[in-house]
Amino acid sequence: LPVLTQPPSASALLGASIKLTCTLSSEHSTYTIEWYQQRPGRSPQYIMNVKSDGSHSKGDGIPDRFMGSSSGADRYLTFSNLQSDDEAEYHCGESHTIDGQVGWVFGGGTKLTVL
Amino acid sequence: EVQLVQSGAEVKKPGESLKISCKGSGYSFTSYWIGWVRQMPGKGLEWMGIIYPDDSDTRYSPSFQGQVIISADKSSSTAYLQWSSLKASDTAMYYCARHSGNFDYWGQGTLVTVSS
Repeated sequence: LPVLTQPPSASALLGASIKLTCTLSSEHSTYTIEWYQQRPGRSPQYIMNVKSDGSHSKGDGIPDRFMGSSSGADRYLTFSNLQSDDEAEYHCGESHTIDGQVGWVFGGGTKLTVL
Repeated sequence: EVQLVQSGAEVKKPGESLKISCKGSGYSFTSYWIGWVRQMPGKGLEWMGIIYPDDSDTRYSPSFQGQVIISADKSSSTAYLQWSSLKASDTAMYYCARHSGNFDYWGQGTLVTVSS
């Protein structure tokens, strides 16, 4: 099964830029992943998917300052002009069909702190 | 407006059974898969399984196969997640989410606490 690895925490100053990383297991490096934002005490919200070629498709209402990109097995979510409202847990996830069995896997999540 | 409304928080004892619900509205309930996701305290998201309400085709994560049952009642636009014998380790927040290429709408979550 695919494994998604995320650093547990990240921080940046208000107004700065930051790039969060989700790393796919090497044998699954071409997979598309999805990013979800989970503000404290709230349900997750879909942000975008990111393909292996770096193309991405955002959910409704996601601001332009959220961008996706890719390099090898790494999938990125980049924020520009960081806002206090961006402070949240960010989860990456992917769906797969292996041996006819469909499934979903999530990474451990990255807690983003806005300083 | 698409909404998934989950049943309220539950406090149970080990060994007890439980069935929680997720009612969809604002869209064709039978046309989208509904998934269930567990989040243990302070931890990440874990996919448990998914159901297609139109024909109740259900897929389970190997980690949860045999541990829970996912079902749906299309007449009431409601999906369910049930346990026959809860354990303390089932203490978690449980989310339902609609799948349409991604999990685009989520319920508000149901907190299940299992404690003697």
